[in-house]
Amino acid sequence: DAKTTQPPSMDCAEGRAANLPCNHSTISGNEYVYWYRQIHSQGPQYIIHGLKNNETNEMASLIITEDRKSSTLILPHATLRDTAVYYCIVVFFGNEKLTFGTGTRLTIIP
Amino acid sequence: GAGVSQSPRYKVAKRGQDVALRCDPISGHVSLFWYQQALGQGPEFLTYFQNEAQLDKSGLPSDRFFAERPEGSVSTLKIQRTQQEDSAVYLCASSYAGTGAVQPQHFGDGTRLSIL
Repeated sequence: DAKTTQPPSMDCAEGRAANLPCNHSTISGNEYVYWYRQIHSQGPQYIIHGLKNNETNEMASLIITEDRKSSTLILPHATLRDTAVYYCIVVFFGNEKLTFGTGTRLTIIP
Repeated sequence: GAGVSQSPRYKVAKRGQDVALRCDPISGHVSLFWYQQALGQGPEFLTYFQNEAQLDKSGLPSDRFFAERPEGSVSTLKIQRTQQEDSAVYLCASSYAGTGAVQPQHFGDGTRLSIL
């Protein structure tokens, strides 16, 4: 599976959009980009995934660059409950196991 | 609730004891995964089941670790002769699809294992 690179930490003001970057420059054509988050003392929570098109759901938007070498997770109106560690994971189609890195610790500031 | 349930939530054992951790996946989910999460680290893959078949156990750290899912639903992770380095949170996840599909995994809140 392709390796991902994320900043170790970020802050965002409550009510603003949180933009979390991820670099996956070695991604291959059969690999999806997945985002999970983990709130303290809880299991990881699925947020969104995509292959090459931008995606949006009730939680977030995922923007994937045209060359697929990087992506950005957008939380449109961050709340204090969005404080968590966010993991960007590249998953090979047909290989279901997730390889977590160290993620980005996002802190929402009141 | 309808989520993945793990028990016990916390387990304390003395070094050398055997422990068993239980996972109840979401009903109807074909795939089941176990992960180990050390303090301050991301989860690491241990093993994967599709129904009752254990298709990947490449992440099990030693032969002291054993997992089963005999009827294709509930799974148990057993650790024999526990050691202090086994202290971690053990996470279980399930997903709807089997091999060849990419579906989100739904995680339980884990069992925090402490070995004294």
